[in-house]
Amino acid sequence: DGGITQSPKYLFRKEGQNVTLSCEQNLNHDAMYWYRQDPGQGLRLIYYSQIVNDFQKGDIAEGYSVSREKKESFPLTVTSAQKNPTAFYLCASSYTQGARGYTFGSGTRLTVV
Amino acid sequence: EDQVTQSPEALRLQEGESSSLNCSYTVSGLRGLFWYRQDPGKGPEFLFTLYSAGEEKEKERLKATITKKESFLHITAPKPEDSATYLCAVQATGTASKLTFGTGTRLQVTL
Repeated sequence: DGGITQSPKYLFRKEGQNVTLSCEQNLNHDAMYWYRQDPGQGLRLIYYSQIVNDFQKGDIAEGYSVSREKKESFPLTVTSAQKNPTAFYLCASSYTQGARGYTFGSGTRLTVV
Repeated sequence: EDQVTQSPEALRLQEGESSSLNCSYTVSGLRGLFWYRQDPGKGPEFLFTLYSAGEEKEKERLKATITKKESFLHITAPKPEDSATYLCAVQATGTASKLTFGTGTRLQVTL
């Protein structure tokens, strides 16, 4: 079955550490996205990529980095510069042509300990 | 700037008590409006896409409608399994594939 897989489901980070969240899709979608979800604030866009080896900052990119070396993969690194990283992170993918909705992964809950 | 506002923030219904969720939007040109369902601790699940005013889509107890300024998600005779957060999002023309999301309506259906 085609889908989008995020791992791990739960992640704990110590102060000063970088952590990387994985996102893989086998839907042959061109575009991939990372969102952060906090209670009462909805989904906020961190980074997105519409083609391999290219990506753009979203609304809250500070303290995060991404890469898009393969069409199927779009990992997100939460760096030590991100002051408040505890949140639920969602990865999504879509086609870029036409009015297409996203397919979401199941999310990664990151907690700073 | 594209904006999406959902109301109410939370809604509690008894089983069988029909109601509607509202999604007001401001967008330069609408390419599509999307409804998603999200269960706690999970990713959003796609429900509907609406493209233009007057369009309607149905799925089981859910019906989505749209005007030039807002969309409604009507829930007829809800069941406890309909309890979830419902998200609305818009895609504007000229923004490639990006979606702008509202903050959602948290629906609880009780027996």
